[in-house]
Amino acid sequence: EDQVTQSPEALRLQEGESSSLNCSYTVSGLRGLFWYRQDPGKGPEFLFTLYSAGEEKEKERLKATLTKKESFLHITAPKPEDSATYLCAVQGVGAGSYQLTFGKGTKLSVIP
Amino acid sequence: GAGVSQSPSNKVTEKGKDVELRCDPISGHTALYWYRQSLGQGLEFLIYFQGNSAPDKSGLPSDRFSAERTGGSVSTLTIQRTQQEDSAVYLCASSPSPGIYEGYTFGSGTRLTVV
Repeated sequence: EDQVTQSPEALRLQEGESSSLNCSYTVSGLRGLFWYRQDPGKGPEFLFTLYSAGEEKEKERLKATLTKKESFLHITAPKPEDSATYLCAVQGVGAGSYQLTFGKGTKLSVIP
Repeated sequence: GAGVSQSPSNKVTEKGKDVELRCDPISGHTALYWYRQSLGQGLEFLIYFQGNSAPDKSGLPSDRFSAERTGGSVSTLTIQRTQQEDSAVYLCASSPSPGIYEGYTFGSGTRLTVV
């Protein structure tokens, strides 16, 4: 059974204070690892897909990296508008329906 | 449409009543998914549609839950004899095809409260 654990559950940063969010996973063959952003009252918004260990992707102040056991979402010089819950999900090769297994998320608050 | 549309956005129902939740996927998206997000929990997979057929219903928590999709478009999730533990946000997502990982788009969800 695929499993995803995210840490920390919540993170408060001062504006401009860089940090990283962690996503640890176990999966029987990785098709892809996904990062989503979710704002209150909204559905998750796609950020990145990573397919293999060593891969990195960037978007504005966000950078996602992947190893064989975990992924990190690095946030550089965050702004208050980066405040949201960040979700990590995996899709294993055993997921014939292409379903995703999600972690519980990290709630990020960026204080001006 | 421009995005995945779900209705209603909020639903309060009495225990034991039936409810129907609707999802309008992005036009042309053949794959459609239902997930449930309970307070303090991660998103939980419910069911997957490819066209009008549901190859994977493994996530439906009980036989009180059912879903259908018509015309390769609109999908309805029905919960019969609702229980308090059914209270959650029900999210729908669609993608152009099952293997297109970058195009998995979620709607804003239906918040269901069973009282």
